[in-house]
Amino acid sequence: KQEVTQIPAALSVPEGENLVLNCSFTDSAIYNLQWFRQDPGKGLTSLLLIQSSQREQTSGRLNASLDKSSGRSTLYIAASQPGDSATYLCAVRPGSTLTFGKGTMLLVSP
Amino acid sequence: SAVISQKPSRDICQRGTSLTIQCQVDSQVTMMFWYRQQPGQSLTLIATANQGSEATYESGFVIDKFPISRPNLTFSTLTVSNMSPEDSSIYLCSVEEGRAKNIQYFGAGTRLSVL
Repeated sequence: KQEVTQIPAALSVPEGENLVLNCSFTDSAIYNLQWFRQDPGKGLTSLLLIQSSQREQTSGRLNASLDKSSGRSTLYIAASQPGDSATYLCAVRPGSTLTFGKGTMLLVSP
Repeated sequence: SAVISQKPSRDICQRGTSLTIQCQVDSQVTMMFWYRQQPGQSLTLIATANQGSEATYESGFVIDKFPISRPNLTFSTLTVSNMSPEDSSIYLCSVEEGRAKNIQYFGAGTRLSVL
């Protein structure tokens, strides 16, 4: 059974810092990995999707990497801003559905 | 990307009653999913709803408790039946867009509290 772990569970940083969120999964047989953002009381916003054949994806200040063989992904956020404060969820797709981690709650203070 | 509307956005219900949650998508999609997010937990898949066939339920979820309808390619409902306080969660609808390399998009969710 696929299990997804996200470390740290919570992170607090001052504005402007670069930061890394970690995601690990137990079964490397995945089709893709997706990073989401969840704001309080709201649904999920898709940030980046990495296909199993890819090593990384970039969107603006966000960069996600994937090392399928070791079962790891990282989400790098450059020059963090207070608006980045949210819970970040990692999800892997072993079949037709997603398996989620519990998320990293990020707080960026001004 | 697909735009998903969920209704209601939140509700407070009494024990023993049922609530039906609606999910409307602005484009035709083959696969729709229903997730539950219990307080402090991550998302757990309840079932996959494909148009024209019975929903496929994950382990631990049954049709009598969570009946699902999928009458067409843009709409689905999830009913939470005979509710108890343990059903207090956020329920989220999701769709997959194959054209966008199998990206999943989510609605804003329904925050349910059962007293």
